[in-house]
Amino acid sequence: DVKVTQSSRYLVKRTGEKVFLECVQDMDHENMFWYRQDPGLGLRLIYFSYDVKMKEKGDIPEGYSVSREKKERFSLILESASTNQTSMYLCASFPGTGFYEQYFGPGTRLTVT
Amino acid sequence: AQTVTQSQPEMSVQEAETVTLSCTYDTSESDYYLFWYKQPPSRQMILVIRQEAYKQQNATENRFSVNFQKAAKSFSLKISDSQLGDAAMYFCAYWGATNKLIFGTGTLLAVQP
Repeated sequence: DVKVTQSSRYLVKRTGEKVFLECVQDMDHENMFWYRQDPGLGLRLIYFSYDVKMKEKGDIPEGYSVSREKKERFSLILESASTNQTSMYLCASFPGTGFYEQYFGPGTRLTVT
Repeated sequence: AQTVTQSQPEMSVQEAETVTLSCTYDTSESDYYLFWYKQPPSRQMILVIRQEAYKQQNATENRFSVNFQKAAKSFSLKISDSQLGDAAMYFCAYWGATNKLIFGTGTLLAVQP
């Protein structure tokens, strides 16, 4: 069965902390995505990756970076967390080129105080 | 740039009744895909239904069907015989040449017993 997991369901961090959000998929998918979900704004793409060690900026990359050292793992990094980064973060993956169904993780609710 | 608009932030339906969620989009592309995703309170986003733009026939998945009007750039979701488990946030999404999903802002559906 298809599976995308995220390291934490809930996370509370302080302003200025470095935050790592981890996403792991067990489907050998090439493509992985990080979204941010906020009420009234839907899902907005932060970063995505089409292959190992490859990354592309999405629509709202400011304040974030990513790492993809292995195919199955895609990490989102908040170098210095700020209160406006309090949000729900969703990871997704899908295989190959062209379109296939995107599989989503359960999400991480991050609160920055 | 492509945009997706969901004009109904919240909807309510009685159990066993039918409800239609609206979605409009803007694009200059001729070849694309449209999707409805469901996000239940547990937060795992799942694909409900997809429509290829080149297909004139409306997609159907059990109790879920779409009304795809390509010229009007409209893509509504009809849920028949609504069940309590249908209560969720529903997102309309567009996939085109950018190889990225573009989401609407979502419609929160409540199902009344």
